[in-house]
This record gives sequence, structure tokens and C-alpha cells, in this order.
Amino acid sequence: DVKVTQSSRYLVKRTGEKVFLECVQDMDHENMFWYRQDPGLGLRLIYFSYDVKMKEKGDIPEGYSVSREKKERFSLILESASTNQTSMYLCASSLWGTGNTGELFFGEGSRLTVL
Amino acid sequence: QQQVKQSPQSLIVQKGGISIINCAYENTAFDYFPWYQQFPGKGPALLIAIRPDVSEKKEGRFTISFNKSAKQFSLHIMDSQPGDSATYFCAARNRGSTLGRLYFGRGTQLTVWP
Repeated sequence: DVKVTQSSRYLVKRTGEKVFLECVQDMDHENMFWYRQDPGLGLRLIYFSYDVKMKEKGDIPEGYSVSREKKERFSLILESASTNQTSMYLCASSLWGTGNTGELFFGEGSRLTVL
Repeated sequence: QQQVKQSPQSLIVQKGGISIINCAYENTAFDYFPWYQQFPGKGPALLIAIRPDVSEKKEGRFTISFNKSAKQFSLHIMDSQPGDSATYFCAARNRGSTLGRLYFGRGTQLTVWP
């Protein structure tokens, strides 16, 4: 079974703090994604990566950065957390290539509260 | 700009009834249409998917109906059960996308009453 593990299920941070959300997948997937989930807004793509050290902006990258130093690990960074970044963050991975369905495998999420 | 529009936002169905969730898209380059199911406290997981060369796909009680000319697709859950209570997301992917990026609808929260 594909496993996507998000290291922190719940975090509480203060405004202005730097926040790291870590994600590890164990299926050698090339693609990794960070989504933000808010009620009524669905899943919004923050950043994605198709290879080590490669990254692409999604639909809402402002206030976030990412790091992918190893194939299995994709980190989301909030340089200076703000209250409007309080949300559920979901990491996902998938295989590369048009021959694949592109099925996304999600982690269980990290619920971040910024006070 | 929302690439995939999903309705309704919430749905309440009696046990044994039919749940129907609708999605619409504009981009004709989309060639793969999955539905994801998310239970509370869990990440979404693939439920069922369809390609535009067929008009319907059925897996157990779950059926996707696809109307290519109208650029619409829908999920039907027959004989809905309380265990089906979850949030459902439709999605679409660009033809030839090696990155596998999916464009999601905003989700439908389904509640099935016993």
C-alpha cells in the first residue's frame, strides 16, 4: 500500500513564526503536491514538485515555499505564519507520466492553527 | 477561475435513497475524471474514475455518468448507506499531463440518515 505520512497531525503556532510541514511517501513517486483544504473552498493547490529540487507554483502559493531535497520528502514552509493560514494542509503524491491515471495518494492532513 | 464546478455543496439523503452529485467543466483538454471520497480525519482517496470515451462506469453502488457534449459528469450512489457519509470531490486532469495535476471541485458533504 502506498503510504503518505505527514509528520504533524495538529500544530498550533503564533503569528510570525516559521512553520515547517513535512511529508514523506514510500512508493517512489515522482510527483508530490501540497493542498490546502478549507470548508466551502475545496482543495486548493499550493505547490507541486515533479522531481528533486524542482517545484512549480499552484493556485495559491503566496506566503508559502517548498523544499524537495530527496525524492520521498516534500516540505511546506510558512516563512511567517499569519492567522489566515489557519487551515488543513494535505500532502499527496502520484506517479509521473501520461500512461498513468495520475491517481493521487493523500496523507491524513496537518491541521494548523495560527494564533 | 474555477476549472471544475461541483454541486450541491451539501446533500442529505435518507438511507436507501440515491445520492447524486454533479460536476461541470469547460476545458476540452480534460481527459480523465476521478471522484475522491474523504472521511472525517482522513485524506481523500480515489473512489471511481472515468475517461471520456465511455458514458458510464459502475463499481458496485457507485456510478459515474459522463456527458461529453454537455461537459458534465455526475456521481450516483445507489442504496445510500450511513457509511457513505463523507465529503466527495470531483476532479479533472489535462490530456497529456505528465505531472498528473488534478483540478478539483469544491466538494459535496454527503450525510446519509439511518
